[in-house]
Amino acid sequence: AQKVTQAQTEISVVEKEDVTLDCVYETRDTTYYLFWYKQPPSGELVFLIRRNSFDEQNEISGRYSWNFQKSTSSFNFTITASQVVDSAVYFCALSEVNTGGFKTIFGAGTRLFVKA
Amino acid sequence: DGGITQSPKYLFRKEGQNVTLSCEQNLNHDAMYWYRQDPGQGLRLIYYSQIVNDFQKGDIAEGYSVSREKKESFPLTVTSAQKNPTAFYLCASSPRGRETQYFGPGTRLLVL
Repeated sequence: AQKVTQAQTEISVVEKEDVTLDCVYETRDTTYYLFWYKQPPSGELVFLIRRNSFDEQNEISGRYSWNFQKSTSSFNFTITASQVVDSAVYFCALSEVNTGGFKTIFGAGTRLFVKA
Repeated sequence: DGGITQSPKYLFRKEGQNVTLSCEQNLNHDAMYWYRQDPGQGLRLIYYSQIVNDFQKGDIAEGYSVSREKKESFPLTVTSAQKNPTAFYLCASSPRGRETQYFGPGTRLLVL
């Protein structure tokens, strides 16, 4: 069965600290996609990154980095030198191909508070 | 600018009333989706459409209805059969055959 678990409900850090958001997924498919989205207080989900199941290379984009490990079914997200503007809810998501196209399920989200 | 618009931003529903949430996109995306988000929870899929005049139920379709008469538009009606409609509703779209979804700003529905 398809499942995404974000065990951390809330994380609170002080500005400039590094923080890692955990994501563990379950799937029977060999081809799938993993995502991270950011939901700021305004509510709109902002796409951050997509990874396909065949690409285990870690990625860095500015202060953001992602660690994809198929062996542990994890796709963790690290923010380096956090800033107040990083305060948001972050969602991890898993997408598989089905007969109707792509089916995407979302984790419950991790709320990040970055204090000045 | 290309994007997804949802209106209204806030919507109030009286008991027994049907209300319709608007979702429009000018990204030329084939697929469109409706999600429901409850406080402290992730997103749950209500309905999705891969092509005009076709749509499928998601995980929580009961009490909702949709139409897809135009590629750009995918309105969601919350019917009186939906007993607990208070939630944040998000619309998304994606290109055909592509898995990445892009989201609108959302509509918050409240029951009076």
